[in-house]
Amino acid sequence: DAGVTQSPTHLIKTRGQQVTLRCSPKSGHDTVSWYQQALGQGPQFIFQYYEEEERQRGNFPDRFSGHQFPNYSSELNVNALLLGDSALYLCASSLDSPGEQFFGPGTRLTVL
Amino acid sequence: AQSVSQHNHHVILSEAASLELGCNYSYGGTVNLFWYVQYPGQHLQLLLKYFSGDPLVKGIKGFEAEFIKSKFSFNLRKPSVQWSDTAEYFCAVIAFDNTDKLIFGTGTRLQVFP
Repeated sequence: DAGVTQSPTHLIKTRGQQVTLRCSPKSGHDTVSWYQQALGQGPQFIFQYYEEEERQRGNFPDRFSGHQFPNYSSELNVNALLLGDSALYLCASSLDSPGEQFFGPGTRLTVL
Repeated sequence: AQSVSQHNHHVILSEAASLELGCNYSYGGTVNLFWYVQYPGQHLQLLLKYFSGDPLVKGIKGFEAEFIKSKFSFNLRKPSVQWSDTAEYFCAVIAFDNTDKLIFGTGTRLQVFP
């Protein structure tokens, strides 16, 4: 049983560019949440998707957007990248709410 | 707004020493509580969780945590640490306030020396 997978593993972008990160949830899970983990910090909630809709959102600007597909996989898009967007982006999936979330390995984004 | 505080930012222990990591949260209602661990180069893994019932919960690898509602605390303990416990430990909370946000503390870095 595959766990949560994320792609790519690493990404380097420059300021002003746009980036798309991808996540496949654990088999059987229908809810996907995205988190940003800056160096030395705990993960910060960005948003959560359920039934292809954004259900909850944290304190992140509109530059951060997402999507969930019918197969429950999800994308995180960040526009107009800033240096401060450099972080590890984590995807987590769950089945029920509120319940245990299973995390993927993350995508390390570096903005130069 | 809900928040989670982890008071120990960096803990250094020798093998076989006992461990206690503090975690306090701010929310007056019902919560689900979690401890996650992040080993070097690996992804976040669940150590243990509390949803309801016995406030003393046991997790993997000999870890346990006690939920004390009156103190808004969920401290993590292990009687005898091993070198392989070297990792970052995160306390997290989900508040039953119509949100599914998992709110994390800033983490505690544990180093265990042989």
